[in-house]
Amino acid sequence: GAGVSQTPSNKVTEKGKYVELRCDPISGHTALYWYRQSLGQGPEFLIYFQGTGAADDSGLPNDRFFAVRPEGSVSTLKIQRTERGDSAVYLCASSLGQGNEKLFFGSGTQLSVL
Amino acid sequence: QQQVKQSPQSLIVQKGGISIINCAYENTAFDYFPWYQQFPGKGPALLIAIRPDVSEKKEGRFTISFNKSAKQFSLHIMDSQPGDSATYFCAASGGGISGTYKYIFGTGTRLKVLA
Repeated sequence: GAGVSQTPSNKVTEKGKYVELRCDPISGHTALYWYRQSLGQGPEFLIYFQGTGAADDSGLPNDRFFAVRPEGSVSTLKIQRTERGDSAVYLCASSLGQGNEKLFFGSGTQLSVL
Repeated sequence: QQQVKQSPQSLIVQKGGISIINCAYENTAFDYFPWYQQFPGKGPALLIAIRPDVSEKKEGRFTISFNKSAKQFSLHIMDSQPGDSATYFCAASGGGISGTYKYIFGTGTRLKVLA
């Protein structure tokens, strides 16, 4: 595709439920990042993949959050036992790879936990 | 030490005027400083970026000024247009060392350019 694609664009769930957010990076981009953006704030780093492996997951807030990228392309961010405080826009970004600093962001998934 | 402080929080400028947004950082290991523009409902888009080996970078109407000793950098938008109305984020990373461009973002500046 032409850009980073994120689905769904909006997700409404109830407290305690499990959600999956999907990111389809730009073709050929080996690096993939997840960020979380709360209302009125800048994006906060969650996790970075280089290829299939999570090279840096230091931003994941707790063990309810998990992300995978099994084939080195599409990534899924998984949130278990959602809490109201998880409500935010989850952004995915990709880049050509290690050493290339230009990140291309998707439009994000707006997650609302009721 | 990982924070990037951005000001002002909001800015109103007349069409044709100059918009100036400032950022300050503490971590001297940062070596890449991008500015991102974000419209409502969209993801951030890279506008312009600078490395600390230069004091200024200009691309069209957008200029970054960088002061390494003060650990500050700023975005100047010349001849501001209503279409520039958006939220602007500064960021910093130490990616040149590790290759991991884990950006630390500022809190954003909402710019409104009056027609």
